[in-house]
Amino acid sequence: QKEVEQDPGPLSVPEGAIVSLNCTYSNSAFQYFMWYRQYSRKGPELLMYTYSSGNKEDGRFTAQVDKSSKYISLFIRDSQPSDSATYLCAMSPGAGNMLTFGGGTRLMVKP
Amino acid sequence: DAMVIQNPRYQVTQFGKPVTLSCSQTLNHNVMYWYQQKSSQAPKLLFHYYDKDFNNEADTPDNFQSRRPNTSFCFLDIRSPGLGDAAMYLCATSREPQGNRYEQYFGPGTRLTVT
Repeated sequence: QKEVEQDPGPLSVPEGAIVSLNCTYSNSAFQYFMWYRQYSRKGPELLMYTYSSGNKEDGRFTAQVDKSSKYISLFIRDSQPSDSATYLCAMSPGAGNMLTFGGGTRLMVKP
Repeated sequence: DAMVIQNPRYQVTQFGKPVTLSCSQTLNHNVMYWYQQKSSQAPKLLFHYYDKDFNNEADTPDNFQSRRPNTSFCFLDIRSPGLGDAAMYLCATSREPQGNRYEQYFGPGTRLTVT
C-alpha cells in the first residue's frame, strides 16, 4: 500500500462545477500538507499549503485537512477550463523532512 | 520575479552519452532538490542539498550524480543514460524550515529523451 493514495482520474466536469479532489494517507505523523497543480509538460505549481488540521481558503480554492481520518481535500469552486491540469497532493511529517507525493488526479473542465 | 529556472527545457541524448541538466534559483533558498517524474506518476526524489550538504535517496541509482557549486546553482549529471531514464527532471527549492513554513517551489522541468 502506498503511503499517499490519490485517484488518478481523469475527472471530467462541466465549467462552473464544484470540484472535489482528495488524498488519503497512512502516516499519522504527516503535519504539512500541500496541493500542487501541474499543467501538461510543466513543473508543479504550489497552490495551497496547510499545517495540521483545518481549512484554508484562497480565492476559488479551499483546502481541508482531517487528520483523524487521514484525509485531505481540495475544493475548486466555479471551475474553469483553465483549471484543467493534474493536481498532486504532497505531505511531510515535519519541516525539513522530505515530501511524499500522491500520484496525481487529472482534472478536465469542459466548456 | 524570484523563480526556479531549468535549462534546457528539452534535452535529447543518446544511449550511454553523459548529459548534464542545470537548475538555478533566485529565491536564495538553502535547500535544492532533484526529482524524476515519469509519465502519469508522482515526482520521485533523487537527492537534495541542504546548503552544501548532499543527501542521496537510498534507491537513487549510481548513474545519477549532482553538484551544487554555490547557493544559486545545482546540476544533475547522468553518467550513462539508459532508455529507462527518459523522464521529466524537476528541480525544486525550499527555504530553511521556519516555524510552520516549508513549501517547495518547482522549476518548469527538463524533459529528457534518450535515443
